[in-house]
Amino acid sequence: EAQVTQNPRYLITVTGKKLTVTCSQNMNHEYMSWYRQDPGLGLRQIYYSMNVEVTDKGDVPEGYKVSRKEKRNFPLILESPSPNQTSLYFCASSSHRAGPGPQHFGDGTRLSIL
Amino acid sequence: GQQVMQIPQYQHVQEGEDFTTYCNSSTTLSNIQWYKQRPGGHPVFLIQLVKSGEVKKQKRLTFQFGEAKKNSSLHITATQTTDVGTYFCAGRRLIYNQGGKLIFGQGTELSVKP
Repeated sequence: EAQVTQNPRYLITVTGKKLTVTCSQNMNHEYMSWYRQDPGLGLRQIYYSMNVEVTDKGDVPEGYKVSRKEKRNFPLILESPSPNQTSLYFCASSSHRAGPGPQHFGDGTRLSIL
Repeated sequence: GQQVMQIPQYQHVQEGEDFTTYCNSSTTLSNIQWYKQRPGGHPVFLIQLVKSGEVKKQKRLTFQFGEAKKNSSLHITATQTTDVGTYFCAGRRLIYNQGGKLIFGQGTELSVKP
């Protein structure tokens, strides 16, 4: 089954404790992206990757890191999480080489930073 | 800040009434996508519009892309309870070094009273 898999689905942690949210897709998609969703703000793009070893900032990259060492994986790293990063996070992928085509979303990761 | 504005933020309708949500961008878009997110779920791709003035239909849903490729609308005819959810537009910028970004509107939350 074609899917985007995120882990964990839920996480409660404390300020400053490094965490990684994994994202994996099995559709051989070139484009992958991370979004955060907050009430009233919709989805905001954090980082995206057009292909392996190619990553770029979205609109809200501060406090986040990503890597794209393999085509299927695109982990999101919070080196020193802060409470303002409490949010619902979605990973997505699409097949278009030239940019963000129709996005296939994972089920989301709800992060709470205390 | 957010450069794709979507209105209204909320819409409550009686079943059978029509519904429209609008998106406006401050910059020209190369394409626009529409997504639906059911409560507790992840966004699901509905459609992509690419051409100036394009109109596409999916059963009771009609999607339009403006002539200037800066605005778009989604119209649902005769809403049903299954239409409940949040509808998002997402635009890809037509700017040389930002073509990989996808900018989402804030979303319109639709509730349908039986």
